[in-house]
Amino acid sequence: EPEVTQTPSHQVTQMGQEVILRCVPISNHLYFYWYRQILGQKVEFLVSFYNNEISEKSEIFDDQFSVERPDGSNFTLKIRSTKLEDSAMYFCASSPMGVQYFGPGTRLTVT
Amino acid sequence: EDKVVQSPLSLVVHEGDTVTLNCSYEVTNFRSLLWYKQEKKAPTFLFMLTSSGIEKKSGRLSSILDKKELFSILNITATQTGDSAVYLCAATSYGQNFVFGPGTRLSVLP
Repeated sequence: EPEVTQTPSHQVTQMGQEVILRCVPISNHLYFYWYRQILGQKVEFLVSFYNNEISEKSEIFDDQFSVERPDGSNFTLKIRSTKLEDSAMYFCASSPMGVQYFGPGTRLTVT
Repeated sequence: EDKVVQSPLSLVVHEGDTVTLNCSYEVTNFRSLLWYKQEKKAPTFLFMLTSSGIEKKSGRLSSILDKKELFSILNITATQTGDSAVYLCAATSYGQNFVFGPGTRLSVLP
């Protein structure tokens, strides 16, 4: 069964560094999402992406965040200058329409 | 502001018990309500509900949506220790935004 994959599974970075989190959505899906979940807290929507552009974004998704679909398969989330409070699990999800299928997540630790 | 509320936030039961988890929502241009089970990592899909009053079932789990009162319930009968997880409710809008609730942490004791 096709599944969403994410790399790396765990990323440790220093404050102020840039990170790129990678996702490979399910191939025939049209909608792509990034969420984050700070340890012990709820899942928070960051951004949705459709037809090669952002369709919605939350207040969390400020100028330090960006998303790209560089090659038609990968879907990336870039955090330009990481802060301690960016430490969280980042989930990618994809959807044909309606139901979202989540990847296993990337645990980002900012030190 | 769109929001989803779940109750209880935490629940401890014994194997064999039946549990009911609640989810209420306020979402502009509501489209559907989804239930997910989150164990150690990523949420896994359980149900998607779009119509009021139609129960969806999968084994010991069932769920129903009330669009008039803006809530949904998830029932789990004859609970097992493997049902221990956080159960997430999410409401979606036609803008493709998903709003998650805080989850209900269910612990099933042997």
